[in-house]
This record gives sequence, C-alpha cells and structure tokens, in this order.
Amino acid sequence: EVQLVESGGGLIQPGGSLRLSCAASGFSVSDNYMSWVRQAPGKGLEWVSVVYITGSTYYADSVKGRFTVSRDNSKNTLYLQMNSLRAEDTAVYYCVRETDTSFFDYWGQGTLVTVSS
Amino acid sequence: IVMTQSPATLSVSPGDRATLSCRASQSVRNKLAWYQQKPGQAPRLLIYGTSTRATGIPARFSGSGSGTEFALTISSLQSEDFAVYYCQQYYNWYTFGQGTKLEIK
Repeated sequence: EVQLVESGGGLIQPGGSLRLSCAASGFSVSDNYMSWVRQAPGKGLEWVSVVYITGSTYYADSVKGRFTVSRDNSKNTLYLQMNSLRAEDTAVYYCVRETDTSFFDYWGQGTLVTVSS
Repeated sequence: IVMTQSPATLSVSPGDRATLSCRASQSVRNKLAWYQQKPGQAPRLLIYGTSTRATGIPARFSGSGSGTEFALTISSLQSEDFAVYYCQQYYNWYTFGQGTKLEIK
C-alpha cells in the first residue's frame, strides 16, 4: 500500500528555516517524480517543487531561491528545506507522488507550517 | 496557465446531478485532472487525462472537455460527494483552479 507521511511542520518566526520530511512506503521515491504542494488556510492548492527521477529539481517562482527539495533514497524519504520563511509561506504542505504523465496520484496527510512572530 | 473554476459554490440536492466547470487560459490538450477534498483531509485524485477515472472512483463521476473547457459531472449526488473540487492542468508545469465547493441544497 502506498503511504506518504509528512513531518517537521510547526511555528516558526519570519526569516527562519524549517525542514519538512516525507517518509514513503509501498514504492520507491527514487523511481517516481515527487512534488510538494501547499495550501494556505482556507485557500486553494499551489504547487511548490518537484524532484525528477533524474534528480533534477524545479520550483515555483514564489519559493525559488529559498526552498530546496531533496531525497534520501536509502531512507525512501523526501525533504523540503525552507529558508527565509515569510508569513505568506504559512500553509499545509503536502508530499505528493506524481505519475509519469504528471498528475498527482497519492497525497500525504500534510503538515502545517505557520510563519508568525 | 491560469485555471478558472465556476461556480465558486454549487448548491445541489442529494440524488441530483452536478456539473462543475473549469477553464484554462490556454490549451492544455487533455492534461487535466480533478481532485476532491473534504474538510481536514488531503485532496484525492478523481479524474486524469480529462476523462479517465482513478482507481476506485465510482462511475457516477465523469470528466469531459478538451483544449480550454472542461467539466466534471457527478450524477445522482451522494452525501459523501459534498466537498471541494479542484481542477489541475499538467500540460505546462502544474496549476490548480481555485476550487468549487459543492454543498447540500
């Protein structure tokens, strides 16, 4: 059974850093495209970043230069390093498996990041 | 690519049919997916490739359209279908519509 379990969210001050983790089971993160998608409170969904099977990474303009996505194949875990956090980064962050044709077939339960002083 | 969903809220009675619309600012071919989200839960994939139901999705859910105009139709609404629905294009990176809330009339 495919499962994605995020962790690492919490309350952080503006300008701070946080690292989110996503532990995968039932498949290998190294064999799939893996994305992060976020949802601000009461708002819609926003794609944040993706790591391809090749290891190439891409980001939404809103987080480029501040966020870094990576994976540890030995731990079958995806990460999102978030630096220089802003109030507008406050959201539930979902770890998502992407199919080879680029839609999202499995989602984690999400982890809440709150950026506030 | 900007995705626009309409209406923002749709009030429908159980047992009735609901049609949700999604428009893309430019053609996305058939690279269109629909997701359902219930309060406190993660989104769930319903439809991909405009009209293909994901595994385990009931046949009352159907998708249609092409290019820039798409629709999700739910025939004979069940109580568990009342939720927020998002469309997503994956032709050029990934963008979501703002969602349609399907509520009980």
